[in-house]
Amino acid sequence: RKEVEQDPGPFNVPEGATVAFNCTYSNSASQSFFWYRQDCRKEPKLLMSVYSSGNEDGRFTAQLNRASQYISLLIRDSKLSDSATYLCVVNGGGSNYKLTFGKGTLLTVNP
Amino acid sequence: DAGVIQSPRHEVTEMGQEVTLRCKPISGHDYLFWYRQTMMRGLELLIYFNNNVPIDDSGMPEDRFSAKMPNASFSTLKIQPSEPRDSAVYFCASRSSLVPDTQYFGPGTRLTVL
Repeated sequence: RKEVEQDPGPFNVPEGATVAFNCTYSNSASQSFFWYRQDCRKEPKLLMSVYSSGNEDGRFTAQLNRASQYISLLIRDSKLSDSATYLCVVNGGGSNYKLTFGKGTLLTVNP
Repeated sequence: DAGVIQSPRHEVTEMGQEVTLRCKPISGHDYLFWYRQTMMRGLELLIYFNNNVPIDDSGMPEDRFSAKMPNASFSTLKIQPSEPRDSAVYFCASRSSLVPDTQYFGPGTRLTVL
């Protein structure tokens, strides 16, 4: 099983749609979870951290299920500017701050 | 504040040549990471440093790859000799131990080995 596995995508959605990305991780000792965004030919940038209680940032909602080792990202009312690759990221357990990245899911929002 | 700086941004070289990639982390950050990104394998951690000391180089693919961090503001990743399969985008990232959850990536070096 891969350390971090994501929906293969790509996702093509119209503006205004709601889209959900899923991710599973294999290391049960992982303590921190994130979603990064990577625009075409650019570097990855932190989109949001994911907390056990779930968290929301505007149109973006992230959820974590530790029992199932599952992470999700929901984007509501998608905009053209949301078009990017979304990377699920997990750190190692304990004091290990190595980040393991999923391969990413490409989202294209169409007018 | 300036972000992570990498140079060169693009490098095209021939198989067998030595390639040196450079990185300047964000001032004050005490962790530095080197990643490689390809379509097939995604983003992979090669090596990371803490306070200029290499902590984990288990991701370095083979002896042809080496990395150094002579001081807090500079790091290099060297490939010698280069091979076509080394073609990828190489990212440097840094973070502060005071804010461990956030890594800042440089713009990357796009390497093509012919």
